[in-house]
Amino acid sequence: AQSVTQLDSHVSVSEGTPVLLRCNYSSSYSPSLFWYVQHPNKGLQLLLKYTSAATLVKGINGFEAEFKKSETSFHLTKPSAHMSDAAEYFCVVSDQDSSASKIIFGSGTRLSIRP
Amino acid sequence: DAGVIQSPRHEVTEMGQEVTLRCKPISGHDYLFWYRQTMMRGLELLIYFNNNVPIDDSGMPEDRFSAKMPNASFSTLKIQPSEPRDSAVYFCASSLRPGTQYFGPGTRLTVL
Repeated sequence: AQSVTQLDSHVSVSEGTPVLLRCNYSSSYSPSLFWYVQHPNKGLQLLLKYTSAATLVKGINGFEAEFKKSETSFHLTKPSAHMSDAAEYFCVVSDQDSSASKIIFGSGTRLSIRP
Repeated sequence: DAGVIQSPRHEVTEMGQEVTLRCKPISGHDYLFWYRQTMMRGLELLIYFNNNVPIDDSGMPEDRFSAKMPNASFSTLKIQPSEPRDSAVYFCASSLRPGTQYFGPGTRLTVL
């Protein structure tokens, strides 16, 4: 069975400091992992995805995530936060070998940026 | 490409009325998904289609909800009769293959 856990419901950082949003997953198959961002009153936008190629995945807006199978983690990072990064972030797991309905969204992490 | 298009963007209706939400997926995408987002329950998958055929509707909360996809470029989600607890943001998403989904801007539904 699949599951995804976002360990923090809310993260607050100062502008210019690093961002770390944590995600752990469980999957019976080879997982595909995604991070989506949702700005206020907007739809979800794909930030990056891992599909069994390179374990370090680079996404848009300077974000990246590292797939660590031994830790079953897929944490999202950014070296320097910008005010425009304030949003809700969702970690998503999908089993590559199963149907499209096996897509599980995490509960979300709200990122706040302090000036 | 214009992306996934949803209409209306906002809908306010009274309890008992029928509500129809519309979605136009990205051209060429074979999968279409309907989601509901609330503060209490987060993002929930309601139903998804593959090549216009409903594949999994186990997330549809009850018989008041129905979804159709008459062709590859159009889908509807209907609630009849609507209730205040149906108030939420409803998202449509499409994808070329399972996994990487592209979301529309959502329809914010308020049932009074």
